[in-house]
Order: sequence, then C-alpha cells, then structure tokens
Amino acid sequence: DIQLTQSPSSLSASVGDRVTISCRASQSTSNFLHWYQQKPGEAPKLLIYAASSLQSGVPSRFSGGGSRTDFTLTISSLQPEDFATYYCQQSYSTPWTFGQGTKVEIK
Amino acid sequence: QVQLQESGPGLVKASQTLSLTCTVSGVSISSSGYYWSWIRQHPVKGLEWIGYIYYSGSTYYNPSLKSRAAISGDTSKNQFSLKLSSVTAADTAVYFCAISSYDNSGYRGGFDDWGQGTLVIVSS
Repeated sequence: DIQLTQSPSSLSASVGDRVTISCRASQSTSNFLHWYQQKPGEAPKLLIYAASSLQSGVPSRFSGGGSRTDFTLTISSLQPEDFATYYCQQSYSTPWTFGQGTKVEIK
Repeated sequence: QVQLQESGPGLVKASQTLSLTCTVSGVSISSSGYYWSWIRQHPVKGLEWIGYIYYSGSTYYNPSLKSRAAISGDTSKNQFSLKLSSVTAADTAVYFCAISSYDNSGYRGGFDDWGQGTLVIVSS
C-alpha cells in the first residue's frame, strides 16, 4: 500500500496568513494525488485534483504542487471559512489511500 | 448535478452484517467512466477507502477488510450497496459513498462528490 504522510498534523494560523501543507508518499504516485477539505459534520470536499488542478468552484487562493512523492497544498491568504481539516489522497494504485489529515486552527 | 445519499441501519450488532445503500441522482451508475466507492471515517483512524464498483459490475476491495466487504449495484434503482460481514466495534465509523472518474488515458481522478455520510455503531 502507498502510505501518505502529511505534515504538520496541525497548525495554528491567522486570517490572511499563507499556509502550506505537505504530503509525502511512500512511493511515486505520479500526479494521481488529490486534496480535500473537511469541516466538522460534513463530507470531505475535493479542492485539488491531479496534484495541481483546481476543482470547479474552489477559490483561487487554494493551489497544489508537486509530483511523484512530494506534494503541497497552499492557501495564499487564509480566510475564516478555511479553518478545517485537510487530507491528501492517492488514486495511483489500489488500495487508494488517504493521509492522516492536517487540522488548521485559528491562532 | 450529481447527488449521493446513504441509507441503512445506524446500529448493528457485533458479528452481524452491516448493510448500506447509496442512492445516486444526476448520473447513471451504469455509465462508463466512473468508480462508485464506499469510504469510511473512524473517529481516530481517519479516512479509509473500502472499495469500488464500476459500470461493468467489476469490484475491487481494500485487502485490509480481509474479504468481509461486498459491493453491488442495482441499475434499475440507480443504487449501489455495501455489505460488511462479521462486524466488530472496530467497524464503528461514518460511512460515505462517493464518485470518482477515469478517462481513456487511464487517469483516475479524486472523489468529486460524496454523500453526507451515515454513522454506523457496532454494539456488543
């Protein structure tokens, strides 16, 4: 199985901050790497697919980068509605797997 | 617009079979180009992909479930279902159904749409 390790596990940030979350894969996932946002009591929401493509309707302050084993999700200017947990996920090989999540909290 | 809705018992006794159904609207589950998945979220362990079915009826399961999972589709109702046998407390989780797509080049996308999730508690 491909293990996805996110860092940090949690972070505190202020509105307006630039935030970067890392996802490292135990082996190459090519660009079959996606990012989700999840708020309490809700299903995850797809933000970024194919490592760097913005899902329709997602604000442009979200961006993704990286390839093979190292990926990042960046929020250029954190907004109040962005406080949530973020997950990466790979669809390169089965079983598809998720990272353990990064909780973004208000500083 | 694709919508998915999970349904099923919220309480299952240990050793019995968990059964959930996902009702889909906005796209036919018999259309090519889509995977129909079940995913669960444990309070502590995070998100775990259970398996998928696609338009041909083929399925794939996460080996971690040790052959306890079975996913089937009902095209007449545009639904797909999950059965998880011999459940234990470790199967207590929120269960989601979700759709992802693939294209002719073999690219497999992320989970574009999800149901709202349903909590299943396994009781002793």
